Amino acid sequence: QKEVEQNSGPLSVPEGAIASLNCTYSDRVSQSFFWYRQYSGKSPELIMSIYSNGDKEDGRFTAQLNKASQYVSLLIRDSQPSDSATYLCASETSGSRLTFGEGTQLTVNP
Amino acid sequence: KAGVTQTPRYLIKTRGQQVTLSCSPISGHRSVSWYQQTPGQGLQFLFEYFSETQRNKGNFPGRFSGRQFSNSRSEMNVSTLELGDSALYLCASRGLAGIDTQYFGPGTRLTVL
Repeated sequence: QKEVEQNSGPLSVPEGAIASLNCTYSDRVSQSFFWYRQYSGKSPELIMSIYSNGDKEDGRFTAQLNKASQYVSLLIRDSQPSDSATYLCASETSGSRLTFGEGTQLTVNP
Repeated sequence: KAGVTQTPRYLIKTRGQQVTLSCSPISGHRSVSWYQQTPGQGLQFLFEYFSETQRNKGNFPGRFSGRQFSNSRSEMNVSTLELGDSALYLCASRGLAGIDTQYFGPGTRLTVL
């Protein structure tokens, strides 16, 4: 079992729709979770961080964490073509070691 | 505040050679982590340095090494390059471990021929 698994892509949504990205993790020690966005040929850019159970909202982005279910999600409301990218879920256990999922490629169609 | 910088941005080497990559963290950040990204394996943790000490190491062979200087700049070295070392090498910096997030630099694209 992979330490961090993301829902298989690619994911395609129409402009203005809600994009839902999911991630599960296996290590119960994980305390911090992150969503990064990566455009083709670029480095990962931090979108959201979440540390406590529940929802965290930032603009059009909402991250949800459920530690009992070992589940993290990212919702993107009013999706825009500029949101088209690969989204990486990451968990942090010891020190500064981030463990990444394989990524979900999102395409927002105009 | 300037972001994380990495040099060089692109590098082409041949098998058997060695390479050194450099990373300058965000000003004031003392932790530097290195990651390798390949299409097949995704993003994988190499090692982390904090105050010139390696604190954490991923599952990579000893050909991969690193160091950190007193000004927090870090270098990673790969010796005896193999074709499979072709990858995007990313450096990430953070302020205080445990309470801050990691910010990635633009990466160094290494191609091994």
